[in-house]
Amino acid sequence: NAGVTQTPKFRILKIGQSMTLQCTQDMNHNYMYWYRQDPGMGLKLIYYSVGAGITDKGEVPNGYNVSRSTTEDFPLRLELAAPSQTSVYFCASRVYPPDRLSYYGYTFGSGTRLTVV
Amino acid sequence: GESVGLHLPTLSVQEGDNSIINCAYSNSASDYFIWYKQESGKGPQFIIDIRSNMDKRQGQRVTVLLNKTVKHLSLQIAATQPGDSAVYFCAEIPLIYNQGGKLIFGQGTELSVKP
Repeated sequence: NAGVTQTPKFRILKIGQSMTLQCTQDMNHNYMYWYRQDPGMGLKLIYYSVGAGITDKGEVPNGYNVSRSTTEDFPLRLELAAPSQTSVYFCASRVYPPDRLSYYGYTFGSGTRLTVV
Repeated sequence: GESVGLHLPTLSVQEGDNSIINCAYSNSASDYFIWYKQESGKGPQFIIDIRSNMDKRQGQRVTVLLNKTVKHLSLQIAATQPGDSAVYFCAEIPLIYNQGGKLIFGQGTELSVKP
């Protein structure tokens, strides 16, 4: 079980370039999330998906797009990179309803550190 | 907007002492709270959780206290060890987001353990 795998780990983009951050999970979790984390701050939700073919916006969706064609994969697309998108990006997944009454079972990836110059 | 915030950005403790990390939340409708530990270069790691119908929950060396009257959450770490050094975040899931399970994170407290 690899858990949640994110690639790449690091990337430098020039303003206006595009890229896709990859996220895959092998736990058969139905829910998946993309968060971004700015220095010294907590995570903010960009997009989430409750199952294949279903996505929805979070707190900070502008400048990003997602797709969910399979249960395993949830890529995040940046179309026109801007310096404000410099951040660390975390993908997470969980199973819903939870296995236990009290644990919502989030599993996070190790993150992608993106710098836009 | 709604947010979960932390009182202290940094906390330094001596190895073996107890640590208390605090968190204030603003959404009185939140149903579920979680503490995460984040080590440098890694994703958040689950520590302990608590539901809004509880005021205390204990784990291994950790205790979470919830005071709904003043909207305050705390994480207590007993006999703090160097391996506990990390940034700690509280997070909440508001009731209206229950099905999506979206977390709202606080800013974080950096815990530093001195040997």
